[in-house]
Amino acid sequence: KNQVEQSPQSLIILEGKNCTLQCNYTVSPFSNLRWYKQDTGRGPVSLTIMTFSENTKSNGRYTATLDADTKQSSLHITASQLSDSASYICVVLTSGTYKYIFGTGTRLKVLA
Amino acid sequence: DAGVIQSPRHEVTEMGQEVTLRCKPISGHDYLFWYRQTMMRGLELLIYFNNNVPIDDSGMPEDRFSAKMPNASFSTLKIQPSEPRDSAVYFCASRWGQGDMNTEAFFGQGTRLTVV
Repeated sequence: KNQVEQSPQSLIILEGKNCTLQCNYTVSPFSNLRWYKQDTGRGPVSLTIMTFSENTKSNGRYTATLDADTKQSSLHITASQLSDSASYICVVLTSGTYKYIFGTGTRLKVLA
Repeated sequence: DAGVIQSPRHEVTEMGQEVTLRCKPISGHDYLFWYRQTMMRGLELLIYFNNNVPIDDSGMPEDRFSAKMPNASFSTLKIQPSEPRDSAVYFCASRWGQGDMNTEAFFGQGTRLTVV
């Protein structure tokens, strides 16, 4: 069964600290993996899109990694800011049938 | 471009009434997506269009839900009759693909639907 699981479900960190969010998937066949940031009351915003051949991709203080062998991805946030407080959603797209499989998200709270 | 525009931003309706949600995608984008988000189930894809043609509607929960895209700049999601369990935030998103599945999708601000 195609599934995307994210951990932790929620996370609280202090401003300036680093954190890593995890995404494990059992989706096959694989096309790409996306990380979205969703602020409260707003639509998701794309952070990164990674294909099978990409191991690492950065977007400012956000760095995503992908291990296609173990079917794991992580999103690392460096030097967190209060504005990083949001939900982070991992989405995997299958190839062929082009189905989008969503994780339930990690809710991050950055405290001053 | 103003981004993906959805209307209304909020909708409160009584059970049994028809609800129509509207979306204007970013000009030039050839893919349009409708999503539903709830606390219990997270973000779910309902249906998506490519060049105004529905490609995958397997996420549409019931026959009460229907979506149309009469032209490249407008789409609607209709619920008839509405039920309290339809209460959720509905997002529309669009992207430029031309067959490339790796391009970024842009989301609208969403419509918060409450069915009482």
